[in-house]
Formats: sequence, C-alpha cells, structure tokens
Amino acid sequence: GEDVEQSLFLSVREGDSSVINCTYTDSSSTYLYWYKQEPGAGLQLLTYIFSNMDMKQDQRLTVLLNKKDKHLSLRIADTQTGDSAIYFCAEKKDQAGTALIFGKGTTLSVSS
Amino acid sequence: GAVVSQHPSRVICKSGTSVKIECRSLDFQATTMFWYRQFPKQSLMLMATSNEGSKATYEQGVEKDKFLINHASLTLSTLTVTSAHPEDSSFYICSARVGDQPQHFGDGTRLSIL
Repeated sequence: GEDVEQSLFLSVREGDSSVINCTYTDSSSTYLYWYKQEPGAGLQLLTYIFSNMDMKQDQRLTVLLNKKDKHLSLRIADTQTGDSAIYFCAEKKDQAGTALIFGKGTTLSVSS
Repeated sequence: GAVVSQHPSRVICKSGTSVKIECRSLDFQATTMFWYRQFPKQSLMLMATSNEGSKATYEQGVEKDKFLINHASLTLSTLTVTSAHPEDSSFYICSARVGDQPQHFGDGTRLSIL
C-alpha cells in the first residue's frame, strides 16, 4: 500500500519539546519530507531527509529516520506558540517518481 | 528563494461559473507543477501533475474535462474548474518543483460555490 500514517493531534506546553511521528509503507521511498500548514495557508517545507540518512538537524528541528521500521519523526525543541499548525509527513517513492504521498497531518497545539 | 504564488486566494461564485486559478513560480523555472485538493481536516489529494508544454497527467477519479490544466510556461500553470458546483467547493493548492528538488507550495485558493 501507499499509506502514510500520523497521529492526528499533539498538545504541548510552550518551551517543551514536541515529537511528531510518522510511519510509511513504501521501502523504496527516497526522500521523506515534513511540511507545516498554518490555518488557511499552503504548505511550507520545513525539512526533508534522504533515505540513506538516519538523522538531520536544522536549528530547532531534528528529523530521525528508522528505515528498518519505516518510521520518521520530527522533533521541535523549545516549542513556541507560533509552532501551532498542522504538520504533514510525505514520502516520494523514487527519483523518477513525481508525486508526494501525504499523511493526514498532525495538529500541534502549543499552550502558553 | 523558491517562492510559489497562487492567485486568487479566495473565490466565491455561483453554481455554473467557471473559475481559473493561477500558480506561478516567482524565482525559479518549474519543470513540474502539481495541483492538489484538500478537504477540511483532511490530507492533500493529488489531482494532476503538469509538465510544461505537455498534457497534464490526471489521477484516477479526477475528471480532466472538469478540471482543465494548462502549463503554458516554466513559471505558470492554471487550473480551471469548469461549470463549478457546490461539491467542487474546496481548498486547492498548487506546488512547483525543479528537477528532483522538493516541492514548494502556493498559499492555496479557497473556492466556495453557492
């Protein structure tokens, strides 16, 4: 199948770390992405990881990839109220493939 | 860099009207553009893939005569919803990509058909 699964909701307090998890089914995926969507807006590319990497860090964002378990996570350190949004995990099947397959999105709610 | 502009951001019109949505890559030439549809609290559903100068490839279940896609240049793709009906009301989002680079998304168009 081509399902990308994510938990639907996550609630954290400001200053805490947030971890959003994602599982995918296609082991041939070459790139895995995290996008952020704020209300009424399009998707903003946050970060992406190539399938031969285990970890990628970019400022407050850390992506971990467990290819054996087909598990991807996004950790946001020192979560801020401005991080409240929907976060989509997406996979791209191969270099010649064109479309992304998205999960249903995780709504992150950050309380002060 | 990698800015994608989508216009208009919001459209409200009567049933039977045709609506055109534009997607432009502002600072790069996009070899491929994509059109997605998003229902409330749902993920993005790919409607079609568009390569400059060739016919769009539609996903299964998407009516190509209903959703006309034109990709006339490397920086512009348009989606026309023909004879729109209330069930076509949705959030439409485009994205653009150069080669194998990540897709960059527009801000979406909220289409409401009365």
